Amino acid sequence: DGGITQSPKYLFRKEGQNVTLSCEQNLNHDAMYWYRQDPGQGLRLIYYSQIVNDFQKGDIAEGYSVSREKKESFPLTVTSAQKNPTAFYLCASRRDGKGKDQPQHFGDGTRLSIL
Amino acid sequence: AQTVTQSQPEMSVQEAETVTLSCTYDTSENNYYLFWYKQPPSRQMILVIRQEAYKQQNATENRFSVNFQKAAKSFSLKISDSQLGDTAMYFCAFMKPSGSRLTFGEGTQLTVNP
Repeated sequence: DGGITQSPKYLFRKEGQNVTLSCEQNLNHDAMYWYRQDPGQGLRLIYYSQIVNDFQKGDIAEGYSVSREKKESFPLTVTSAQKNPTAFYLCASRRDGKGKDQPQHFGDGTRLSIL
Repeated sequence: AQTVTQSQPEMSVQEAETVTLSCTYDTSENNYYLFWYKQPPSRQMILVIRQEAYKQQNATENRFSVNFQKAAKSFSLKISDSQLGDTAMYFCAFMKPSGSRLTFGEGTQLTVNP
């Protein structure tokens, strides 16, 4: 079955530590996205990538980094510079056909907590 | 920049009744796309329905339908015959055709009571 896989489901970070959240998709989608969701709030865009080896900052990119070396993979690193990383992180992908209403499809999320 | 506003943080409805969730947006674009996503307690984001701005006909998906008022920049979601499984956070989202970014509203927590 095609889909988006995020791992791990739960992740704990120590102070000063970098952690990486995995996102893999086998939908052959061009674009991939990372969102942060805080309790009772909507989704805020961290980074997105429309093609391999290229990505753009979203609205809250500070303290995060990404790479897009393969079409199917878009890992997110939460660096020690992100002082409040506790949140639910969602990865999404989309077939990037311009002018078409292709929706974003989401993974099941990773919950990151500070130890 | 586009903004999306959901003015109802929480709503409740009795099972089998109808409920309408509100969404307004602000844009200078003439063509765009609008979506409603559902996030149940499992936290998975599920696409409920989509609407293209240049289509006058309101989108319908089974028990879910929208009332799209382009001039008023309003995009409400109507859920008919509400079921317990409809209990979830509902997000309205906007997308320009020239880019692939989604702008989300803050969400409306819907509770369906037995």
